[in-house]
Amino acid sequence: EAGVAQSPRYKIIEKRQSVAFWCNPISGHATLYWYQQILGQGPKLLIQFQNNGVVDDSQLPKDRFSAERLKGVDSTLKIQPAKLEDSAVYLCASSLESPTSYEQYFGPGTRLTVT
Amino acid sequence: LAKTTQPISMDSYEGQEVNITCSHNNIATNDYITWYQQFPSQGPRFIIQGYKTKVTNEVASLFIPADRKSSTLSLPRVSLSDTAVYYCLVGDGFSGGYNKLIFGAGTRLAVHP
Repeated sequence: EAGVAQSPRYKIIEKRQSVAFWCNPISGHATLYWYQQILGQGPKLLIQFQNNGVVDDSQLPKDRFSAERLKGVDSTLKIQPAKLEDSAVYLCASSLESPTSYEQYFGPGTRLTVT
Repeated sequence: LAKTTQPISMDSYEGQEVNITCSHNNIATNDYITWYQQFPSQGPRFIIQGYKTKVTNEVASLFIPADRKSSTLSLPRVSLSDTAVYYCLVGDGFSGGYNKLIFGAGTRLAVHP
């Protein structure tokens, strides 16, 4: 079974530039998550999709971050404009639809450096 | 909002049992407590989850007291390859129809020869 795919793996941009990350979840997984993980910290949920719909985006900085999940499969996360504090690893995860189980499968992440 | 607390780091030796506790208050009453393992430059990997009492799988056990205010991940007979960061994950209760997912800050386990 193929895992969660993410690209790119690394990205370096200057502040105020824009960047986009792509995620392809495991086939059949209805739920998709984007996390931000700053060095030395636990992952912080940015947005959770259930199929096409957004379940939770309460911690997504909506003035600069946006995300979409087209046709309930692939997803993109965009930052525009980037700030220095956005330097982090952006993790995508997917799971089967379950309201109480948190067994998620994570991709390798995209390491973003903002200079 | 739920809050989790884990020890920042722990040290152990090969062959020993390691217990990592996560304290969590105000969590959802009706869903699982989940633990993940993360190696450098990789995404977290699911280890185990449970709702109450004790759960055991091929790699770990999870102990959850009746009040669900904490959970303890038990790794039997650790090896060098268990050196990693361990996170607990909880939901903070339904708000608007969903659980807000909260990862702990992680416990860095170092296993020595």
